[in-house]
Parts: sequence; C-alpha cells; structure tokens
Amino acid sequence: IAGITQAPTSQILAAGRRMTLRCTQDMRHNAMYWYRQDLGLGLRLIHYSNTAGTTGKGEVPDGYSVSRANTDDFPLTLASAVPSQTSVYFCASSAHDRSHEQYFGPGTRLTVT
Amino acid sequence: AQSVTQPDIHITVSEGASLELRCNYSYGATPYLFWYVQSPGQGLQLLLKYFSGDTLVQGIKGFEAEFKRSQSSFNLRKPSVHWSDAAEYFCAVGGGDDKIIFGKGTRLHILP
Repeated sequence: IAGITQAPTSQILAAGRRMTLRCTQDMRHNAMYWYRQDLGLGLRLIHYSNTAGTTGKGEVPDGYSVSRANTDDFPLTLASAVPSQTSVYFCASSAHDRSHEQYFGPGTRLTVT
Repeated sequence: AQSVTQPDIHITVSEGASLELRCNYSYGATPYLFWYVQSPGQGLQLLLKYFSGDTLVQGIKGFEAEFKRSQSSFNLRKPSVHWSDAAEYFCAVGGGDDKIIFGKGTRLHILP
C-alpha cells in the first residue's frame, strides 16, 4: 500500500525558476489538497480539488497553480519561485464522504535561493 | 469563520507523566474535530477524530480526546507518555465541505 507519494523529497531552487511538485495517490480519493508548513504558522492550505477536473483556492494561493487531470495526480506548480516560497509542502487526500479524514504524503522540502 | 487555537506552542513532560494538550475551536455548526501527530521529518498521521456521538473518543497509541461543546474544546490526553510520543501535535476542525483548518501545533518534549 503506497498511499500518497510526493516527489522530489527535497529541492534547492534558484529564484525565478519554474518548479512542479508532484503528488500521486492510489486510494482513489476524490479530494486532494496542497499545504505548506512553516515554523510557527502550522499548515496552510494552498489549493484543493474536490474531484478530477475541478480546483479551488485555499488560504495562500498566490504564486502557485494546480491541475487535476485525473483522480490520482495533483501537481503543484511554482511559475517563478521566490524565497518566501521556501517551505515544506504536503499533499493530502480524502474520500469524498463524511469521514473527512485526510491522508498525508511525506512532504517536499523546498528551498528557494 | 472557522478557527483553531492551540494555546501552548511547547509542552514538556516527564516520561510516565500524564499529558493534556489543549485545543479550542470556533465553528458555526457541529464541527468535525481531529488530532494529528507529526514526527520529525514525517507527514501527519491521524490520531483520532470526532464526528458525533460519544464525546470521549479513543485513538491510536493510547491517546484520547474529549469534545466539550460548552467550552468549544477538544483536548487531547494520554495517561502516561513514552519517549516516542515526542512530536508535534495538530488539532484541526472541519465541517460540511472537505476542507479542514489546522491549529499552529504544539510541540511535545519528553524528559527522561
């Protein structure tokens, strides 16, 4: 059972470069999420998708975009990275039912220099 | 608006001592409440959840939490902590949609 996988595990990126963080789940969950985790700020929702073909903005969407072409994949793209996007990024998924339980990936540590 | 407050940024307890981590929430209707744990360098793992029914819920690793509507609280407890419980703990609240709001976390330190 893989659950949720994220790639890369970590990355150092020059400011201004484009970067896509990958997220894949094998649980056939309808809903998927991207969070960033910063010291003292907890987890903040960047973007989400309730089902394939739809996406929505979370609390801190600026500078990020997502797509949901199919159920399993939910990539997060930084079009032009800035140092304030240095963070740990977590992907999560949940079944579209009342349980609301979210399953998290292992995270991607991104440093923008 | 939904919000979650974890008043304690850090908590230090001795191994074998009891533990209570505080969580207060603000939500317009009956909330769904969660506690997650994050070990260093890891993702988040669900400890327990409350949706309805019995207000005392049991979770994994010997943890429990009690929903108190009158106090808007969902505190996490464990009778006797182990060194392996050292981690960061997040309380979260959700509602009718699938999105949940996380608190800023409480880091638990265990003294030998």
